[in-house]
Amino acid sequence: ETGVTQTPRHLVMGMTNKKSLKCEQHLGHNAMYWYKQSAKKPLELMFVYNFKEQTENNSVPSRFSPECPNSSHLFLHLHTLQPEDSALYLCASSQDGGLAATYNEQFFGPGTRLTVL
Amino acid sequence: AQSVTQLGSHVSVSEGALVLLRCNYSSSVPPYLFWYVQYPNQGLQLLLKYTSAATLVKGINGFEAEFKKSETSFHLTKPSAHMSDAAEYFCAVSGHNSGGSNYKLTFGKGTLLTVNP
Repeated sequence: ETGVTQTPRHLVMGMTNKKSLKCEQHLGHNAMYWYKQSAKKPLELMFVYNFKEQTENNSVPSRFSPECPNSSHLFLHLHTLQPEDSALYLCASSQDGGLAATYNEQFFGPGTRLTVL
Repeated sequence: AQSVTQLGSHVSVSEGALVLLRCNYSSSVPPYLFWYVQYPNQGLQLLLKYTSAATLVKGINGFEAEFKKSETSFHLTKPSAHMSDAAEYFCAVSGHNSGGSNYKLTFGKGTLLTVNP
């Protein structure tokens, strides 16, 4: 595997289900991100992790729970979601520290298309 | 604070015609600027980036962009559109600091490019 991978690519869940999205980066980066992309809306940054520590939470509802066990893996645990949470969820990674970090080039995975019924 | 404005949510061109996608930015520090492309059901792929070296930046697939500080612009161009260029394009801006820690990427709302045969 190369780059940033995300599983599953598609997910359909009911409002009472619990599911998890997984992201893995194979780039040796140490910062990881979750974004939400809804139709007709700009990309929304949800969470940022640097060296496994959460450094940003953009007022995301608690029904979204991130987990970063190491610098290569990032999870988004989902429970009691609402239909308006249906969207494409994108994971990204970048290098924190050093010259490359100064412009924060992010590498994106293919996304998980989530549908909440 | 940083922001990006992409003029035109939808641009339509004929195959072989010039592609021009507009991006204006606002940044309180010298900016780093990016163009990303998103094909249907995929994540974002970096097209090109400006990191304060040459003001004319060449990217993949024949695209280029010119940084114009006086106009606070970073428009994306391609001399001759191809059917495979049909996608959504996002402009993004990142600040930086001497400490090297990551700044957020701020994305525009995107421009959907359609190419007519």
